[in-house]
Amino acid sequence: NAGVTQTPKFRILKIGQSMTLQCTQDMNHNYMYWYRQDPGMGLKLIYYSVGAGITDKGEVPNGYNVSRSTTEDFPLRLELAAPSQTSVYFCASSYSGTADQETQYFGPGTRLLVL
Amino acid sequence: QQQVKQSPQSLIVQKGGIPIINCAYENTAFDYFPWYQQFPGKGPALLIAIRPDVSEKKEGRFTISFNKSAKQFSLHIMDSQPGDSATYFCAASMSSYGKLTFGQGTILTVHP
Repeated sequence: NAGVTQTPKFRILKIGQSMTLQCTQDMNHNYMYWYRQDPGMGLKLIYYSVGAGITDKGEVPNGYNVSRSTTEDFPLRLELAAPSQTSVYFCASSYSGTADQETQYFGPGTRLLVL
Repeated sequence: QQQVKQSPQSLIVQKGGIPIINCAYENTAFDYFPWYQQFPGKGPALLIAIRPDVSEKKEGRFTISFNKSAKQFSLHIMDSQPGDSATYFCAASMSSYGKLTFGQGTILTVHP
């Protein structure tokens, strides 16, 4: 099991450019999440999904979009990059329906710099 | 209502010391309280978690103390080691929804 994988590891974007952060999990988890981590701010939930075709906004969704066409993949789209989106982005997944359901498994992160 | 406040921001202890990290929450609907550990360049990983029906939970050198009436919980690391140096996050959720609200994080440094 690879767990949760994210690509790319690091990216520099110019203001106004767009990009997609990829996230894939091979644990057959139904729940998936996107967080951003800024220094001293903890992790903030951007979007989450409880299953294929179902997504919902988290605490800081502005400037981002997501889709969930399969159980495995949960890409995060930045349409018009802004310096405020400079951050480290983490994807996570979990499985509902068991005693372990709340444990979220995180990917290694994508570091994004918007200049 | 959704905030989780964590303190201190950073903590330095000597090897063998007992660092304590504290968290406070406001939403009484929270019923699941995990702690995540994060090493530099890595994603967070679950360390230990507690539910409000118990006041303490131990796993190895890590202990969570939970005070439901005060809406506070804390992480204690017994006999701390340099390998425990990491960032620690508390979190809370209403377990039926799965979404975690994280504290701001504590950077722990354990000197040899």
